[in-house]
Amino acid sequence: SQQGEEDPQALSIQEGENATMNCSYKTSINNLQWYRQNSGRGLVHLILIRSNEREKHSGRLRVTLDTSKKSSSLLITASRAADTASYFCATDLNDQAGTALIFGKGTTLSVSS
Amino acid sequence: GAGVSQSPSNKVTEKGKDVELRCDPISGHTALYWYRQSLGQGLEFLIYFQGNSAPDKSGLPSDRFSAERTGGSVSTLTIQRTQQEDSAVYLCASSPRQVRSPLHFGNGTRLTVT
Repeated sequence: SQQGEEDPQALSIQEGENATMNCSYKTSINNLQWYRQNSGRGLVHLILIRSNEREKHSGRLRVTLDTSKKSSSLLITASRAADTASYFCATDLNDQAGTALIFGKGTTLSVSS
Repeated sequence: GAGVSQSPSNKVTEKGKDVELRCDPISGHTALYWYRQSLGQGLEFLIYFQGNSAPDKSGLPSDRFSAERTGGSVSTLTIQRTQQEDSAVYLCASSPRQVRSPLHFGNGTRLTVT
């Protein structure tokens, strides 16, 4: 079953603009991760935010987490054409038995120069 | 060091045939995952191996799908009697330790069932 859902499904912006993607999830989590996937490639980990954290930065990336709303956002500032990719959130369920990361369907970002 | 390696990168097979997909995780990674990604879709969890524990097979879509991990390293995903709906990219990922950590993905095997 789908745990995370990204919004929007697709986003087109110009170079230099900021891109914001959102992720909503259904159950409590240990942490939430964001991944990027270039066409025809595997996913690459971008950033992990733990359930007790509210905001995290990495370079031009800013991730927020609101556990009360069960949502997260990924902000890419000053976007570049090379940021064109699909972006996925993945949740690590708060489950003692241990389960795999559950991914959403992703947001496809297109940055034009 | 070397990343996660998957082979073959592309596989075309006829409906009804069996296929084996291979994953070589990063050396020392205890956790190994298989996901399936259909065109334009997100990742569908299939199976998860963690160390010597029994695998979590809860994502396997049917009994035609099976996977094993030999010696805690290489994994093989087997699909028997393939169907056209099995066509997808099969992604393998590994991670280094018991406590949650980022996944390292291979580039996947693109399976086409004709």
